[in-house]
Amino acid sequence: DGGITQSPKYLFRKEGQNVTLSCEQNLNHDAMYWYRQDPGQGLRLIYYSQIVNDFQKGDIAEGYSVSREKKESFPLTVTSAQKNPTAFYLCASSIDGERLSYEQYFGPGTRLTVT
Amino acid sequence: QKEVEQNSGPLSVPEGAIASLNCTYSDRGSQSFFWYRQYSGKSPELIMFIYSNGDKEDGRFTAQLNKASQYVSLLIRDSQPSDSATYLCAVTNSNDYKLSFGAGTTVTVRA
Repeated sequence: DGGITQSPKYLFRKEGQNVTLSCEQNLNHDAMYWYRQDPGQGLRLIYYSQIVNDFQKGDIAEGYSVSREKKESFPLTVTSAQKNPTAFYLCASSIDGERLSYEQYFGPGTRLTVT
Repeated sequence: QKEVEQNSGPLSVPEGAIASLNCTYSDRGSQSFFWYRQYSGKSPELIMFIYSNGDKEDGRFTAQLNKASQYVSLLIRDSQPSDSATYLCAVTNSNDYKLSFGAGTTVTVRA
């Protein structure tokens, strides 16, 4: 089955710890994205990657880092510099990296709670 | 001004009725428009996309786009309790093609 997987589903961390969220896709999509969703708000773009070994900051990149060493993988690290890390994190992919206007498909999400 | 605006709802409709959801956007050059359905606690699921003015139908869903008025709507015909969810409108930015999302409209279909 083709799709996007994210792990873990739930993650609990203490303040001051870095944490890495996994995102893997077997859709052969070029572009991958990370969003965060907070209650009552729309999705906000953290980082995106249009091609392997390249990625761009989104609207709220501060306190986050990513890598894209393989086409199918786009892990997100939430660092201790992120002031409000508790949120629902969503990974997405789309077929064409050159133009981002194609439809995006989402993974199941990781709910991160930092106390 | 928000880039993509939706009525937050909740929108309550009886089973079998038509649910009408509206979305307005500020970027006049936007070219691609998407509707996602998100059940509580789950990730968004793409249900419709539309690129041209007019109507696009897929089963019980119809997306309507009017670029001149900068709005896109979603109609859900013969609403079912399983349609109860939050519906997100997303629009591509004309300068960088990234998606901007509305905050979503929550729909409740009452039996």
